Amino acid sequence: EVQLVESGGGLVQPGGSLRLSCAASGFTFSSYYMNWIRQTPREGLEWVAHIKHDGSEKFYVDSVKGRFTVSRDNAKNSLFLQMNSLRVEDTAVYYCVRDPIDLWGQGTLVTVSS
Amino acid sequence: DVVMTQSPLSLAVTLGQPASISCTSSQSLVAGDGKTHLTWFQQRPGQSPRRLIYENSDRDSGVPDRFSVSGSGTDFTLKISRVEAEDVGIYYCMQATYWPRTFGQGTKVEIK
Repeated sequence: EVQLVESGGGLVQPGGSLRLSCAASGFTFSSYYMNWIRQTPREGLEWVAHIKHDGSEKFYVDSVKGRFTVSRDNAKNSLFLQMNSLRVEDTAVYYCVRDPIDLWGQGTLVTVSS
Repeated sequence: DVVMTQSPLSLAVTLGQPASISCTSSQSLVAGDGKTHLTWFQQRPGQSPRRLIYENSDRDSGVPDRFSVSGSGTDFTLKISRVEAEDVGIYYCMQATYWPRTFGQGTKVEIK
């Protein structure tokens, strides 16, 4: 079955760190660019980060530049998002999404609160 | 960043009746390759978003033909010819012509 499964979400204090993981299966992961997209009830959907199939290029939304790092391990069919210096406004459901935004995971909830 | 504006934000439709959702971009979405990178998503209650239409005209596999799109440049419309109960949810447009990719606010479709 073609699917993406996120993990690693949870409750963290402002200023803390969290690492999200995404396990891909059912398709040739190494051939696809990948994304992280987040969703909040107030702000809706926001694209966060993008990584080329071989990891050689990465793009970030301005609000997370310098704090978040996207990476991948093609040998393990896995995508990651390292989130540092977390802020209350980073609270969201984070989705792992295959490019061209045609396959979404079920999402993992990140809550930043004291 | 390109601002995507949807209207209405909420829509109550009688079963079997048509529905239309507008999406306007702050810049033309025609890319250098001549393609219009405008995508529509459906998010049913409790589910992840699902892609319906991409490149402004191509329906994804399994998407009923009652869903169609029109428009070009900066103004686009998603139309549902006859709304069914399974169409309830929130619909989003997204542009992928420019970085960062940006989404509309979403339009909630309910049954009247």
